[in-house]
Amino acid sequence: EPEVTQTPSHQVTQMGQEVILRCVPISNHLYFYWYRQILGQKVEFLVSFYNNEISEKSEIFDDQFSVERPDGSNFTLKIRSTKLEDSAMYFCASTPGTGNTEAFFGQGTRLTVV
Amino acid sequence: ELKVEQNPLFLSMQEGKNYTIYCNYSTTSDRLYWYRQDPGKSLESLFVLLSNGAVKQEGRLMASLDTKARLSTLHITAAVHDLSATYFCAVLLVPGGGADGLTFGKGTHLIIQP
Repeated sequence: EPEVTQTPSHQVTQMGQEVILRCVPISNHLYFYWYRQILGQKVEFLVSFYNNEISEKSEIFDDQFSVERPDGSNFTLKIRSTKLEDSAMYFCASTPGTGNTEAFFGQGTRLTVV
Repeated sequence: ELKVEQNPLFLSMQEGKNYTIYCNYSTTSDRLYWYRQDPGKSLESLFVLLSNGAVKQEGRLMASLDTKARLSTLHITAAVHDLSATYFCAVLLVPGGGADGLTFGKGTHLIIQP
C-alpha cells in the first residue's frame, strides 16, 4: 500500500542551527502538507503546497520556515535558526486532490532542539 | 477562525461499554475527518465524512456528521483494549479546497481497561 515516508525519524539539533526535514509523498498525490504536533498537544497545520508553490500557510509558518519540492519526489521543510520551541513532531501529509481530500500522513520526524 | 472542539479530552472506560466522543466546529464545513493516533505514532485515517447525515462504520467504531449542528460523533460499541488511543477529529475549511489544511481538535485520549 502506498505511504508517505519521512526522514529522519528523529533529529536532534542545537538551537540556532538549520534543519531540513524530508518527505516523499504518495506518488500520484497532488497536494502536500506539513503539520506539527508539540508533545501532548493537538496537530497544527503549517503549510500546504500545490503545483510547486505554497497554497496556504498558517500563522506558525513564518519566515523561519520554507518548503520546496526540489526534484519532483521529495518535499522538504527547512527550519532556519531553530529555537527550543520548535521541538515537536513534524508530520508530512499528501492528498490526491481533485475532489478527494483524504490526507495520508507520514510517520513523522521528531525534532528536538537543545 | 475555525475552531474545533472535542469532548471529552480524556476518557477512561471499561471493556464492553459503549461511549461517544463529540466534535463541534465553529464554521460551515461539510468535510470532517476522524484520525487515530497511538503513542509516538502517526495519524491513521479512520473516517472521512463528506455530507450532512453521513454515517460510516468500521468494526466497533461508528462516525456521523450533522453539518447543520456542526457536530460529529464517534461512537464506540462494546469497547476493547485495542481501541485505546488518542482520537482526533479534523475539519477542512473549504469544501473541495484540496490545498487547505485541516484544523484539528485537541484529541480525546481514550483508555480502555479490562
